[in-house]
Order: sequence, then C-alpha cells, then structure tokens
Amino acid sequence: NAGVTQTPKFRILKIGQSMTLQCTQDMNHNYMYWYRQDPGMGLKLIYYSVGAGITDKGEVPNGYNVSRSTTEDFPLRLELAAPSQTSVYFCASSSNTGAEQYFGPGTRLTVT
Amino acid sequence: GQNIDQPTEMTATEGAIVQINCTYQTSGFNGLFWYQQHAGEAPTFLSYNVLDGLEEKGRFSSFLSRSKGYSYLLLKELQMKDSASYLCAVRDRFVRGGSSNTGKLIFGQGTTLQVKP
Repeated sequence: NAGVTQTPKFRILKIGQSMTLQCTQDMNHNYMYWYRQDPGMGLKLIYYSVGAGITDKGEVPNGYNVSRSTTEDFPLRLELAAPSQTSVYFCASSSNTGAEQYFGPGTRLTVT
Repeated sequence: GQNIDQPTEMTATEGAIVQINCTYQTSGFNGLFWYQQHAGEAPTFLSYNVLDGLEEKGRFSSFLSRSKGYSYLLLKELQMKDSASYLCAVRDRFVRGGSSNTGKLIFGQGTTLQVKP
C-alpha cells in the first residue's frame, strides 16, 4: 500500500493563478481531510469529506474548493492564489471507526 | 470557543524523561490524539486517549483527564531521534453529515522538543 500520496511536492504560484493539489489514498478510507500548516503552527482544517459526494468546510475554507467524486481521490482547488495561501498543505485519511488519521507527505506552496 | 494550549519549546537530555502538557477547551470531545512531526515531514500518529487514564506504548505514554481538560505525553529514555514537534489534537464529536464544527481534529500549535546529548 502506498498510503496517502500527494502531488506536487513543491509549487510556486504567482498571485492570481489557480492550481489543484492532488490527494489519493489506497486504504479504502471514507474520511479524508485537507489541512494547512503555517511555519511554527499547528494544522488548520480546510475541508473534509465523510465519503464520495459529501464534503464540508473546516476552520479555514475561504479561497479553496474541494470535490470527492471517488473514495480514493480528494483534490483541493486554489482559485486566485494569494500570498496568504503560502503554506504546507497536508492531506489525510481515516477509516470509519479507526482512531488515527494517516497523512500524506505534504505540498509546499509559495505564492509570490 | 476552541482552544488548545501546549508549550512552544522544550529541551531535554538524552536518556532522560520529558513530559509535554496539553490543556484544551473545546465545544465537544471525542478523543485526544498525540502526533509526532519531524521537521519537513508529515505528522505520524503516536497515541489516542478517549477515556481518563494512562495509555502506555513502549517509551511513550499519554494521560487524559477529561474533567480537567488536560493531557500529557510522557517520553522515556529519550533518544536524539525524538527531537521533533509534538502535536496535541482534540477530535470533536463526530456526527455523519453534520455541520463543519463536528468530527474534525483541532490541533494545538505543537511543542518543539530538542534532545541534547
């Protein structure tokens, strides 16, 4: 099992550009999450999904969108990138009854 | 409101014991997690407490008191590789199809532990 994979690993965007961060898990987990982590800070939940076709906002959803068309994939879309979106983005997944979330390796995004 | 507090930094000596505290005030509670995060890497799961008491797993133990809104992570026989950030996270009450305030993990800012020889 690859677990949770994320692409790209690094990206530099110009202000106003758009991009999609990809996240895939092969553990058949229903629950998937997107977090951002700013330097020296904990993780903030952007969006989460409890299954294919169901998504909901977390603590910091503004400027982002998600979709969940399959169990495996949970892409995060950034529209009109802003410098405040410079961060490390982590995708995670968990099973219905499992206690822990499994994290992907992260995407380091810089918006200049 | 939702609030989780941890010390920002701690330093300890190789071979020693260190206790990292976490206090929380959240609107709901469905378990407390500890994650380890090495610099530049993803968080990895360490422990989970949902009932009061101590959970032991090798060199790592975690304690929870729900009435006091308090947890700690205890690391014994410290090794250099234990230098990392330790994140405390509370899971809100999980309601399928509920609002954005249910079922999520709320993280503290993390405690950076430096282990010195």
